Amino acid sequence: QKEVEQNSGPLSVPEGAIASLNCTYSDRVSQSFFWYRQYSGKSPELIMSIYSNGDKEDGRFTAQLNKASQYVSLLIRDSQPSDSATYLCAVNTGGFKTIFGAGTRLFVKA
Amino acid sequence: AAGVIQSPRHLIKEKRETATLKCYPIPRHDTVYWYQQGPGQDPQFLISFYEKMQSDKGSIPDRFSAQQFSDYHSELNMSSLELGDSALYFCASSWGQSSYNEQFFGPGTRLTVL
Repeated sequence: QKEVEQNSGPLSVPEGAIASLNCTYSDRVSQSFFWYRQYSGKSPELIMSIYSNGDKEDGRFTAQLNKASQYVSLLIRDSQPSDSATYLCAVNTGGFKTIFGAGTRLFVKA
Repeated sequence: AAGVIQSPRHLIKEKRETATLKCYPIPRHDTVYWYQQGPGQDPQFLISFYEKMQSDKGSIPDRFSAQQFSDYHSELNMSSLELGDSALYFCASSWGQSSYNEQFFGPGTRLTVL
């Protein structure tokens, strides 16, 4: 079992819809959680970070964390074609080592 | 705002050659991380440095070494290159010694080994 698991997709949503991206992790002592967006051939770009249970909103993005279920998600409201990318979930268990999931490819259809 | 700088952006080497990748972190960031990303793969953590000392180690081959210098820039040295070393190499930086610190990635160095 991978330490950080994501559905590889592709996830296809129409423009204007809500995209829901999910991530589970195996290490219960994980402390910090990050969502990165990566366009093909480009570097990961930090979108959201979340550290405590509940929701955290930033513009069209909402991160949700449930430590009891070892689950973190990212909601993208009013999805735009420019949101089409691979979304990487990243988890840190307390040291300097951050584990990335394999990423979910999102396609937003115009 | 200043970002992480990596050089070179592209590098082509032959098998068994050596390569040196450089990373200049965001100003005032004291922690540097190196990642390797193969085609269609997620970034794999290689090694990190905090205040010029190695702070954590991941799946870095013994053929690779790295260090962080007094100005906080870092270099990844790769020897006896193999075809499988062809990948995107990212450097990321953050501030402080905490797992809560957000990492910001550089544009990457694309290494091709022929």
